Amino acid sequence: SAVISQKPSRDICQRGTSLTIQCQVDSQVTMMFWYRQQPGQSLTLIATANQGSEATYESGFVIDKFPISRPNLTFSTLTVSNMSPEDSSIYLCSVEDGERIEQYFGPGTRLTVT
Amino acid sequence: TQLLEQSPQFLSIQEGENLTVYCNSSSVFSSLQWYRQEPGEGPVLLVTVVTGGEVKKLKRLTFQFGDARKDSSLHITAAQPGDTGLYLCAGGRRSNYQLIWGAGTKLIIKP
Repeated sequence: SAVISQKPSRDICQRGTSLTIQCQVDSQVTMMFWYRQQPGQSLTLIATANQGSEATYESGFVIDKFPISRPNLTFSTLTVSNMSPEDSSIYLCSVEDGERIEQYFGPGTRLTVT
Repeated sequence: TQLLEQSPQFLSIQEGENLTVYCNSSSVFSSLQWYRQEPGEGPVLLVTVVTGGEVKKLKRLTFQFGDARKDSSLHITAAQPGDTGLYLCAGGRRSNYQLIWGAGTKLIIKP
């Protein structure tokens, strides 16, 4: 299975600022996903990021607020723009690996907006 | 809208007891995964089931996929404090390679 790292692991940010979260994979993967999670709750998919194409966003998430880059098959970034306290959450990246539609996750980025 | 209903959402039991977590849907899935997540970490894949009626065992954990591939269960025998965590089920469909997630079960095993 792929090994995924995320940076930063946590951050405290002022409202109105932006934070870029990095996701690095130790192997080449086609599909990467960005999720948001409140502690102890399930995952909400923000967008799917495939290399060479624009990210596909889920309902309720827009590119201006959550721009995503996918410059190659091992790296992606998610930016949380113009942050408000409602953006406080855990942000997770994952990769899709194999025909069984299994996903492997990074350790997450815990974001607090004050 | 595809839904995957997971129950119970919270379970607190004593060490040594047995428990079962359920995931049910009206939709058919190509595969169904179970993940466990501990605080400060991402979800970790425990098992994938792909065949209707399939049963997989992982030490004290038994996973079952329903015959119609619409539901699944996770049974833990003689639970231990190390089993504490958030358990998530997720159904996959090859049409878009995305996962449909259950609401999660927060499990606490008291020593």
